[in-house]
Amino acid sequence: EAGVTQSPTHLIKTRGQQATLRCSPISGHTSVYWYQQALGLGLQFLLWYDEGEERNRGNFPPRFSGRQFPNYSSELNVNALELEDSALYLCASSLAQVEQFFGPGTRLTVL
Amino acid sequence: AQTVTQSQPEMSVQEAETVTLSCTYDTSESDYYLFWYKQPPSRQMILVIRQEAYKQQNATENRFSVNFQKAAKSFSLKISDSQLGDAAMYFCAYRSALESQGNLIFGKGTKLSVKP
Repeated sequence: EAGVTQSPTHLIKTRGQQATLRCSPISGHTSVYWYQQALGLGLQFLLWYDEGEERNRGNFPPRFSGRQFPNYSSELNVNALELEDSALYLCASSLAQVEQFFGPGTRLTVL
Repeated sequence: AQTVTQSQPEMSVQEAETVTLSCTYDTSESDYYLFWYKQPPSRQMILVIRQEAYKQQNATENRFSVNFQKAAKSFSLKISDSQLGDAAMYFCAYRSALESQGNLIFGKGTKLSVKP
């Protein structure tokens, strides 16, 4: 069974640009979670999607947004990129919202 | 708000020996889940073990076991017969049992080194 996949592996952008990160959950999983892992700040919860709806969001500004598609894959969009947005972005999926299984992450670098 | 604290930024263990990683948490909830995740240098987070708060019995997965002390809000991870492949960042995580609170709350992590 394929695990959670994320693309791209690495993404380099400049300040002010927009970034789009993608995530495909494990087959059959309906929930997708996004986390930011910035150096020195640990893992911070960004967004949770389930059955196409945003269920919860963490303490991040509105320029962090996303969506979940009918096939349960998800996109994270970061607008007006700032230097401090440089981080590893991890996607996780779950069924019945208990155990979460993570993808390999997308390393975003903002120059 | 719930918080998770890992007081050991780094730990070291000799191959084949036993090491215990500490985790404490703060919550006013009575029902929740606790997890230990491992993140090797390849950066993929791997679920190591899970504990339901309503269960008194400590969870065990092969060489990994936990010591769950609900009253003390403590959730330590014991790794027995340490192997070189155990070297990684270990994160303790909390998840509320409330359906509206599906996200994980992580500690800062403990970097475990295994010496041959």
